[in-house]
Amino acid sequence: EVQLLESGGGLVQPGGSLRLSCAASGFTFSSYAMSWVRQAPGKGLEWVSALSSSGDNTYYVDSVKGRFTIFRDNSKNTLYLQMNSLRAEDTALYYCAKDSAKVATIGTFDIWGQGTMVTVSS
Amino acid sequence: DIQMTQSPSSLSASVGDRVTITCRASQSISKYFNWYQQKPGKAPKLLIYATSTLQSGVPSRFSGSGSGTDFTLTISSLQPEDFATYYCQQTYSTPHTFGQGTKLEIK
Repeated sequence: EVQLLESGGGLVQPGGSLRLSCAASGFTFSSYAMSWVRQAPGKGLEWVSALSSSGDNTYYVDSVKGRFTIFRDNSKNTLYLQMNSLRAEDTALYYCAKDSAKVATIGTFDIWGQGTMVTVSS
Repeated sequence: DIQMTQSPSSLSASVGDRVTITCRASQSISKYFNWYQQKPGKAPKLLIYATSTLQSGVPSRFSGSGSGTDFTLTISSLQPEDFATYYCQQTYSTPHTFGQGTKLEIK
């Protein structure tokens, strides 16, 4: 079964850091681009970041550039999101999503995890 | 960034109704466009990609059309399981922005 399992969310103070993980199974992880999409409580979906299958190409929404880093370990079938300098507006459920295309991201997500909640508050 | 605007934001309909949701892009995106369905407490699910191609397993009562800046999602005959929130998304360029969502409720 194709599955994505996020972890690493929690409560953090403004200015703090968190690292999210997304463990993939059931498909050849190293062949597919991956992304993070977030959803603030009661709000819509926001694309956050994407990464090519090799990890060489990264993409970010402007609001997280310079603060978030997406990376992957293909030997561990795991995607990560390192989040620094967190702000209250980063509070959201963070989904890991598999791109339907191999190698480069096309932004079409055919598999989603269940999400991990990040709350930024003092 | 490309802005995506859905209408309506919410919609009440009955089982068996034909429903159309529209999405407009702030610039031409050709056919680089998707629809997702999200039910409460669940992750989004890909319904339609590349404007009009149904994802595997999606019932044929769902259809998509459009190009350029204007797109539509049509549900030909609403079923109880279709009551959910629907999101459009452009994949023409990063950031791959989503619309604000359309909540489809039971009348």
